[in-house]
Amino acid sequence: GQSLEQPSEVTAVEGAIVQINCTYQTSGFYGLSWYQHHDGGAPTFLSYNALDGLEETGRFSSFLSRSDSYGYLLLQELQMKDSASYFCAVRSSGTYKYIFGTGTRLKVLA
Amino acid sequence: DVKVTQSSRYLVKRTGEKVFLECVQDMDHENMFWYRQDPGLGLRLIYFSYDVKMKEKGDIPEGYSVSREKKERFSLILESASTNQTSMYLCASSLGTGARETQYFGPGTRLLVL
Repeated sequence: GQSLEQPSEVTAVEGAIVQINCTYQTSGFYGLSWYQHHDGGAPTFLSYNALDGLEETGRFSSFLSRSDSYGYLLLQELQMKDSASYFCAVRSSGTYKYIFGTGTRLKVLA
Repeated sequence: DVKVTQSSRYLVKRTGEKVFLECVQDMDHENMFWYRQDPGLGLRLIYFSYDVKMKEKGDIPEGYSVSREKKERFSLILESASTNQTSMYLCASSLGTGARETQYFGPGTRLLVL
């Protein structure tokens, strides 16, 4: 079956850099997306990788390697407000169907 | 900004009740989705709809049905609620069929079935 695996929890301190990994067992997808979800709020889109390589958006960067079936989200200059859950996701080619990862809860400590 | 609203933030229901979860989006999106979110399992797709009156099963449709009579509204129905349906339910919408499609989510409904 198709699946995207993420670490369940990551902890880091303010100002640090943290990497959240996403390894997948799926084929034929358009690209890898990342979403942020604060408790009590709506998940929001962060980043998208259509091609292999690094995409940078401010403090957030995302990376994709299709040959390694692997991607990651990199958060720099961590702030307390970055404490949230982060999900990777793909949309299977030729369908409207999205597959989400298991989610990583990031805790940022003062 | 796209806005996706869900009818309730919290619901408490009893086993066997019929439960309706409503979702409305205001940006004329073609596609709408229902997910449930459980710890360690991420978001799992229950049903989705790519047009009015059209629906397709996701990964975990058992025990659920959906209705999309109008483009902006997508309803999730639990025909006979069970305790294993206690979960966070998230609705989402997306514009069309482009490769780079962003999903816009509602704030979620936390359902407790007693």
